[in-house]
Amino acid sequence: QVQLVQSGTELKKPGASVKVSCNASGYIFTNYGIDWVRQAPGQGLEWMGWISGYTGNTNYAQHFQGRVTMTTDTSTSTAYLELRNLRSDDTGVYYCARGPGVLSPADYWGQGTLVSVSS
Amino acid sequence: EIVMTQSPATLSVSAGKRATLSCRASQSVYSNLAWYQQKPGQAPRLLIYGASTRATDVPARFSGSGSGTEFTLTISSLQSEDFAVYYCQQYNIWPRTFGQGTKVEIK
Repeated sequence: QVQLVQSGTELKKPGASVKVSCNASGYIFTNYGIDWVRQAPGQGLEWMGWISGYTGNTNYAQHFQGRVTMTTDTSTSTAYLELRNLRSDDTGVYYCARGPGVLSPADYWGQGTLVSVSS
Repeated sequence: EIVMTQSPATLSVSAGKRATLSCRASQSVYSNLAWYQQKPGQAPRLLIYGASTRATDVPARFSGSGSGTEFTLTISSLQSEDFAVYYCQQYNIWPRTFGQGTKVEIK
């Protein structure tokens, strides 16, 4: 069965960076992409970007341009999200989801990773 | 970017009754519209894609309709497990964008 397992809770100080991992199993990793979605406490879902599992091509939301990097390691079927220069309003749960690409929605989701940014 | 607007923000419905949720896009997304359900402390779950196709294992009481800029999610007879927040998302063009969500609560 398709599973996406994310890394654990991160506690960071303002200005630091965080790298969240998402290990995929149960499907051919390179046949799909990975979406990353953020949810601030008590708020809605915010799409951050997408990376192709095959080419590594990315599409980032404008809001995160310059601070975010999405990468993959096809040898371990793992996707990574790095967010730099963290601020307190980056606090939230970060989700990865299997995303085939444009014209297809994300279908299977990881359990989420809590990133807390506080001095 | 395409702005997705959901209404109402909160919907109070009795168990066994019908719930109708709306989603409007700021420009046409054709049928490239998905609905997600999210319960507290859980990841979102894909319910509907292609505006009207139920995802795997989604009960038949959930149905989606619409195209272009106007979409509807209908839950025909609310069960206790359906009380949650529902989000629409367009995936027609990058960036993908979500609506702000509709909370379906027990009346």
